[in-house]
Amino acid sequence: DQQVKQNSPSLSVQEGRISILNCDYTNSMFDYFLWYKKYPAEGPTFLISISSIKDKNEDGRFTVFLNKSAKHLSLHIVPSQPGDSAVYFCAARSGSGAGSYQLTFGKGTKLSVIP
Amino acid sequence: GAGVSQSPSNKVTEKGKDVELRCDPISGHTALYWYRQSLGQGLEFLIYFQGNSAPDKSGLPSDRFSAERTGGSVSTLTIQRTQQEDSAVYLCASSPGVLTDTQYFGPGTRLTVL
Repeated sequence: DQQVKQNSPSLSVQEGRISILNCDYTNSMFDYFLWYKKYPAEGPTFLISISSIKDKNEDGRFTVFLNKSAKHLSLHIVPSQPGDSAVYFCAARSGSGAGSYQLTFGKGTKLSVIP
Repeated sequence: GAGVSQSPSNKVTEKGKDVELRCDPISGHTALYWYRQSLGQGLEFLIYFQGNSAPDKSGLPSDRFSAERTGGSVSTLTIQRTQQEDSAVYLCASSPGVLTDTQYFGPGTRLTVL
């Protein structure tokens, strides 16, 4: 039972254009969402997060949108740069009770930005 | 400052052997996590340590897996009688506290069980 789904295993985008990475979740208890970026042979690095009380969070070229009714979030990168080429993981956690530190990850989307 | 380090970076072992994977968290981080990523899958939570509290072992897939954290710092993940399905990248992460949103990951150990 996959609670966090990234249905696109890969995405190719031209440099300078917008990259949109999508993530869907099924667990309505999730209230905090994160995006991690992973280069080959390295561990994931935190990129941006959003709380369920917001519908948008922006940090430079990166913006995360949350649609709670649709249980959907997306990461927008604009403009895309070749250095953004990596695997992007969507992750979620729930509440402040027991186990709230556990992150549930999607399978990742490999982004390729073409110069 | 140094990030999370893991050793070895790669480990090849034969089915049935025991392996130990090591994690050195960022100095001062009280929370430590182990995850694994099997081929084509997302990261799967294994175990969590917070300070001197009893660890949360709810993610360990079988009793062949165990982990300890000595002195609140270095952690060792041990897999006994390895099976081929244990082949994966094992990732360690640490964070300053419990609910901080930033878990800092190490580069991982790629385990291959032949």
